[in-house]
Amino acid sequence: GENVEQHPSTLSVQEGDSAVIKCTYSDSASNYFPWYKQELGKRPQLIIDIRSNVGEKKDQRIAVTLNKTAKHFSLHITETQPEDSAVYFCAAPYSGGYQKVTFGTGTKLQVIP
Amino acid sequence: GAGVSQSPRYKVAKRGQDVALRCDPISGHVSLFWYQQALGQGPEFLTYFQNEAQLDKSGLPSDRFFAERPEGSVSTLKIQRTQQEDSAVYLCASIQGSSYNSPLHFGNGTRLTVT
Repeated sequence: GENVEQHPSTLSVQEGDSAVIKCTYSDSASNYFPWYKQELGKRPQLIIDIRSNVGEKKDQRIAVTLNKTAKHFSLHITETQPEDSAVYFCAAPYSGGYQKVTFGTGTKLQVIP
Repeated sequence: GAGVSQSPRYKVAKRGQDVALRCDPISGHVSLFWYQQALGQGPEFLTYFQNEAQLDKSGLPSDRFFAERPEGSVSTLKIQRTQQEDSAVYLCASIQGSSYNSPLHFGNGTRLTVT
C-alpha cells in the first residue's frame, strides 16, 4: 500500500509569515495529491490539490508543489492569518487498490496574531 | 443533499454494546468511503463502496466491524461488541465518480466514545 509521511507535526508562525508543510509518498504510480484542512471538531475540507502532470499550483495565498522524482509534495501558505490555524492533512491514493487514499498524520498549524 | 450527512453526531456506548452509524452521501455520488480518525491522527481507511458493491474492506480492524450500502446510497457502519479502542471519530466521505483522482467530500463524522 501507500505510505505517506508528513512533517512537521506542529508548526507555529507569526501572523503574516509563511508556512510550509511537506509530505513524502511511496507509490510511484500515485498521480493525485490533495491537501485537506480540518478545524477543531469539523470535517476535513479540500483546500487545494495537484495532479502529476504539473509541478506547481496556486490559489491565492495557498500553493502546492510536487516533485515526482523525489516523491514529495509541499503545501505553502503565504501571509498567514489567524483563521489559517487548523490541522492540515496531505493525502495520496494507492494506485494498486480501489480508491484507498492514505492520509498523512497531520500538521497542527498555529498562527500567532 | 447539500453535503454528506452523518448521524448520530455523538454516540456513547458501554463496552460490549453494538452501535450503528449512518451515512447519507451526496445525491448521485457513486463512491462512498468510511474512515476512522483517532484523536490527533489522520483519517485511516476502513472500507470503500462503489454503488452497492463493497470493493475494499481491507481497513476494517476486526470482524466486529461491518458496513453495508444495500441500495447504493445510504450506508451503515456497524460495530458489534464495542471495545474502548473503538473510540474515535468515524468519517464518511463520497465522490461523484469512481476515480481516485477526485477530492473526498466528508461528513461531519460520528464521535464514538466507548466507556
